[in-house]
Amino acid sequence: DSGVTQTPKHLITATGQRVTLRCSPRSGDLSVYWYQQSLDQGLQFLIQYYNGEERAKGNILERFSAQQFPDLHSELNLSSLELGDSALYFCASSVSGHEQFFGPGTRLTVL
Amino acid sequence: GEDVEQSLFLSVREGDSSVINCTYTDSSSTYLYWYKQEPGAGLQLLTYIFSNMDMKQDQRLTVLLNKKDKHLSLRIADTQTGDSAIYFCAEKGANSGGYQKVTFGTGTKLQVIP
Repeated sequence: DSGVTQTPKHLITATGQRVTLRCSPRSGDLSVYWYQQSLDQGLQFLIQYYNGEERAKGNILERFSAQQFPDLHSELNLSSLELGDSALYFCASSVSGHEQFFGPGTRLTVL
Repeated sequence: GEDVEQSLFLSVREGDSSVINCTYTDSSSTYLYWYKQEPGAGLQLLTYIFSNMDMKQDQRLTVLLNKKDKHLSLRIADTQTGDSAIYFCAEKGANSGGYQKVTFGTGTKLQVIP
Protein backbone atom coordinates (compact mmCIF):
# COMPACT_ATOMS: atom_id res chain seq x y z
CA ASP A 1 0.00 0.00 0.00
CA SER A 2 1.61 3.23 -1.21
CA GLY A 3 -0.57 5.49 0.91
CA VAL A 4 -2.03 7.15 -2.18
CA THR A 5 -5.73 6.54 -2.68
CA GLN A 6 -7.76 6.95 -5.83
CA THR A 7 -11.48 6.79 -6.38
CA PRO A 8 -13.33 5.32 -8.09
CA LYS A 9 -11.51 2.12 -8.92
CA HIS A 10 -13.55 1.56 -12.07
CA LEU A 11 -15.66 3.95 -14.10
CA ILE A 12 -17.79 3.13 -17.12
CA THR A 13 -19.38 5.96 -19.03
CA ALA A 14 -20.53 6.98 -22.49
CA THR A 15 -18.94 9.16 -25.13
CA GLY A 16 -19.57 12.85 -24.64
CA GLN A 17 -19.87 12.56 -20.89
CA ARG A 18 -17.78 14.17 -18.16
CA VAL A 19 -16.16 12.40 -15.22
CA THR A 20 -14.10 13.36 -12.21
CA LEU A 21 -11.32 11.23 -10.81
CA ARG A 22 -10.13 11.81 -7.28
CA CYS A 23 -6.75 11.35 -5.65
CA SER A 24 -5.61 11.68 -2.06
CA PRO A 25 -1.83 11.89 -1.73
CA ARG A 26 0.27 10.39 1.03
CA SER A 27 0.24 12.36 4.22
CA GLY A 28 2.74 15.19 3.95
CA ASP A 29 3.28 14.97 0.19
CA LEU A 30 2.75 18.31 -1.49
CA SER A 31 3.18 17.19 -5.09
CA VAL A 32 0.53 15.32 -7.04
CA TYR A 33 1.05 13.94 -10.53
CA TRP A 34 -1.49 12.54 -12.96
CA TYR A 35 -0.66 9.92 -15.59
CA GLN A 36 -2.61 8.15 -18.28
CA GLN A 37 -1.72 4.58 -19.18
CA SER A 38 -3.16 3.10 -22.33
CA LEU A 39 -2.15 0.06 -24.34
CA ASP A 40 -0.99 2.02 -27.37
CA GLN A 41 0.50 5.11 -25.69
CA GLY A 42 2.18 3.64 -22.65
CA LEU A 43 2.49 5.80 -19.53
CA GLN A 44 1.92 9.46 -20.33
CA PHE A 45 2.50 12.27 -17.87
CA LEU A 46 -0.49 14.61 -17.82
CA ILE A 47 0.01 17.27 -15.16
CA GLN A 48 1.64 18.05 -11.83
CA TYR A 49 0.45 20.18 -8.94
CA TYR A 50 2.53 21.37 -6.02
CA ASN A 51 0.82 22.71 -2.93
CA GLY A 52 -2.24 23.80 -4.86
CA GLU A 53 -0.51 25.30 -7.87
CA GLU A 54 0.03 23.85 -11.29
CA ARG A 55 3.72 23.07 -11.65
CA ALA A 56 4.10 21.26 -14.97
CA LYS A 57 2.04 20.13 -17.89
CA GLY A 58 2.62 17.12 -20.05
CA ASN A 59 0.47 15.59 -22.77
CA ILE A 60 -2.81 16.75 -21.32
CA LEU A 61 -5.68 17.42 -23.69
CA GLU A 62 -7.65 20.65 -23.50
CA ARG A 63 -10.74 18.58 -22.63
CA PHE A 64 -8.96 17.53 -19.46
CA SER A 65 -8.33 19.70 -16.43
CA ALA A 66 -7.14 19.19 -12.89
CA GLN A 67 -6.88 20.99 -9.62
CA GLN A 68 -5.39 20.51 -6.20
CA PHE A 69 -7.38 21.63 -3.18
CA PRO A 70 -6.17 23.19 0.09
CA ASP A 71 -6.28 19.79 1.79
CA LEU A 72 -3.94 18.62 -1.02
CA HIS A 73 -6.29 16.13 -2.60
CA SER A 74 -6.56 16.45 -6.35
CA GLU A 75 -9.20 15.92 -8.98
CA LEU A 76 -8.80 15.21 -12.66
CA ASN A 77 -11.76 16.24 -14.78
CA LEU A 78 -12.25 14.62 -18.16
CA SER A 79 -14.95 16.05 -20.42
CA SER A 80 -16.43 15.36 -23.86
CA LEU A 81 -15.15 11.85 -23.46
CA GLU A 82 -14.10 9.85 -26.50
CA LEU A 83 -13.53 6.15 -26.95
CA GLY A 84 -9.80 6.78 -27.03
CA ASP A 85 -9.88 8.19 -23.51
CA SER A 86 -10.41 4.69 -22.16
CA ALA A 87 -7.32 4.02 -20.05
CA LEU A 88 -5.91 3.62 -16.59
CA TYR A 89 -5.42 6.93 -14.86
CA PHE A 90 -2.82 7.01 -12.13
CA CYS A 91 -2.14 9.58 -9.51
CA ALA A 92 1.22 9.75 -7.78
CA SER A 93 2.46 11.88 -4.94
CA SER A 94 5.87 12.94 -3.82
CA VAL A 95 7.40 15.01 -1.05
CA SER A 96 10.64 15.92 -2.79
CA GLY A 97 10.03 15.22 -6.45
CA HIS A 98 12.42 12.31 -6.08
CA GLU A 99 10.46 9.15 -5.43
CA GLN A 100 6.89 9.10 -6.67
CA PHE A 101 4.35 6.92 -4.89
CA PHE A 102 1.62 5.70 -7.18
CA GLY A 103 -1.99 5.04 -6.36
CA PRO A 104 -3.81 1.92 -7.56
CA GLY A 105 -5.34 3.76 -10.51
CA THR A 106 -8.81 4.38 -11.90
CA ARG A 107 -9.81 2.30 -14.89
CA LEU A 108 -11.97 4.39 -17.21
CA THR A 109 -14.00 2.70 -19.90
CA VAL A 110 -15.77 4.90 -22.42
CA LEU A 111 -18.48 3.10 -24.40
CA GLY B 1 11.91 16.67 -25.75
CA GLU B 2 13.33 13.93 -23.56
CA ASP B 3 12.75 10.37 -24.64
CA VAL B 4 13.13 7.06 -22.80
CA GLU B 5 12.99 3.83 -24.75
CA GLN B 6 12.68 0.21 -23.71
CA SER B 7 12.01 -3.04 -25.45
CA LEU B 8 8.42 -4.12 -24.99
CA PHE B 9 8.80 -7.72 -23.95
CA LEU B 10 11.25 -10.11 -22.31
CA SER B 11 10.78 -13.79 -21.53
CA VAL B 12 13.09 -15.75 -19.21
CA ARG B 13 13.06 -19.07 -17.42
CA GLU B 14 12.69 -19.22 -13.68
CA GLY B 15 16.09 -19.20 -12.00
CA ASP B 16 17.83 -17.43 -14.88
CA SER B 17 18.95 -13.81 -14.80
CA SER B 18 16.84 -11.14 -16.49
CA VAL B 19 18.34 -8.05 -18.03
CA ILE B 20 16.03 -5.19 -18.93
CA ASN B 21 17.55 -2.38 -20.96
CA CYS B 22 16.67 1.26 -21.35
CA THR B 23 18.07 4.16 -23.36
CA TYR B 24 17.40 7.83 -22.75
CA THR B 25 18.22 11.05 -24.51
CA ASP B 26 18.43 13.65 -21.73
CA SER B 27 22.11 14.40 -21.14
CA SER B 28 21.25 16.38 -18.00
CA SER B 29 19.61 13.47 -16.19
CA THR B 30 20.18 13.55 -12.46
CA TYR B 31 18.49 10.37 -11.32
CA LEU B 32 17.40 7.24 -13.13
CA TYR B 33 14.74 4.92 -11.75
CA TRP B 34 13.30 1.48 -12.18
CA TYR B 35 9.65 1.00 -11.31
CA LYS B 36 7.69 -2.26 -11.24
CA GLN B 37 4.01 -2.59 -12.11
CA GLU B 38 2.26 -5.80 -11.18
CA PRO B 39 -1.05 -6.67 -12.87
CA GLY B 40 -3.88 -4.46 -11.71
CA ALA B 41 -1.65 -2.28 -9.57
CA GLY B 42 0.14 1.03 -9.69
CA LEU B 43 3.85 1.52 -10.22
CA GLN B 44 6.20 0.83 -7.34
CA LEU B 45 9.74 2.19 -7.12
CA LEU B 46 12.24 -0.68 -7.15
CA THR B 47 15.52 1.15 -7.14
CA TYR B 48 17.24 4.25 -8.43
CA ILE B 49 20.73 5.40 -9.28
CA PHE B 50 22.30 8.82 -9.17
CA SER B 51 23.74 9.89 -12.50
CA ASN B 52 27.33 10.03 -11.23
CA MET B 53 27.25 6.34 -10.29
CA ASP B 54 28.05 3.42 -12.58
CA MET B 55 26.47 0.63 -10.62
CA LYS B 56 24.14 -0.02 -7.74
CA GLN B 57 23.35 -3.39 -6.22
CA ASP B 58 20.39 -4.13 -4.00
CA GLN B 59 19.91 -7.81 -3.16
CA ARG B 60 18.88 -9.53 -6.43
CA LEU B 61 18.82 -6.26 -8.34
CA THR B 62 21.81 -4.71 -10.10
CA VAL B 63 21.53 -1.41 -11.92
CA LEU B 64 24.19 -0.48 -14.45
CA LEU B 65 24.48 3.00 -15.89
CA ASN B 66 26.54 3.94 -18.92
CA LYS B 67 26.20 7.69 -18.95
CA LYS B 68 28.27 8.13 -22.09
CA ASP B 69 25.91 5.92 -24.09
CA LYS B 70 22.85 6.98 -22.05
CA HIS B 71 22.08 3.37 -21.35
CA LEU B 72 20.57 1.95 -18.19
CA SER B 73 19.99 -1.69 -17.37
CA LEU B 74 18.31 -3.64 -14.61
CA ARG B 75 19.54 -7.15 -13.89
CA ILE B 76 17.39 -9.44 -11.76
CA ALA B 77 19.30 -12.45 -10.50
CA ASP B 78 17.57 -15.78 -9.94
CA THR B 79 14.36 -14.55 -11.52
CA GLN B 80 11.20 -15.86 -9.88
CA THR B 81 7.63 -16.13 -11.17
CA GLY B 82 6.74 -13.33 -8.77
CA ASP B 83 9.02 -11.05 -10.78
CA SER B 84 6.60 -11.23 -13.71
CA ALA B 85 5.47 -7.64 -14.20
CA ILE B 86 6.01 -4.56 -16.33
CA TYR B 87 9.22 -2.71 -15.56
CA PHE B 88 9.47 1.00 -16.27
CA CYS B 89 12.66 2.95 -16.65
CA ALA B 90 12.42 6.65 -15.79
CA GLU B 91 14.81 9.55 -15.78
CA LYS B 92 14.73 12.83 -13.92
CA GLY B 93 16.10 15.85 -15.70
CA ALA B 94 17.89 18.85 -14.35
CA ASN B 95 16.03 21.55 -12.51
CA SER B 96 14.20 23.78 -14.99
CA GLY B 97 12.16 26.65 -13.61
CA GLY B 98 11.90 24.92 -10.25
CA TYR B 99 10.64 21.72 -11.78
CA GLN B 100 12.51 18.50 -12.44
CA LYS B 101 10.61 16.53 -15.01
CA VAL B 102 10.47 12.76 -14.74
CA THR B 103 10.08 10.95 -18.05
CA PHE B 104 8.95 7.32 -18.08
CA GLY B 105 9.73 4.72 -20.68
CA THR B 106 7.07 2.59 -22.33
CA GLY B 107 7.68 -0.34 -19.99
CA THR B 108 9.07 -3.83 -20.56
CA LYS B 109 6.80 -6.74 -19.82
CA LEU B 110 8.81 -9.50 -18.14
CA GLN B 111 7.38 -12.98 -18.42
CA VAL B 112 8.94 -15.64 -16.21
CA ILE B 113 8.41 -19.19 -17.40
CA PRO B 114 8.31 -21.80 -14.62
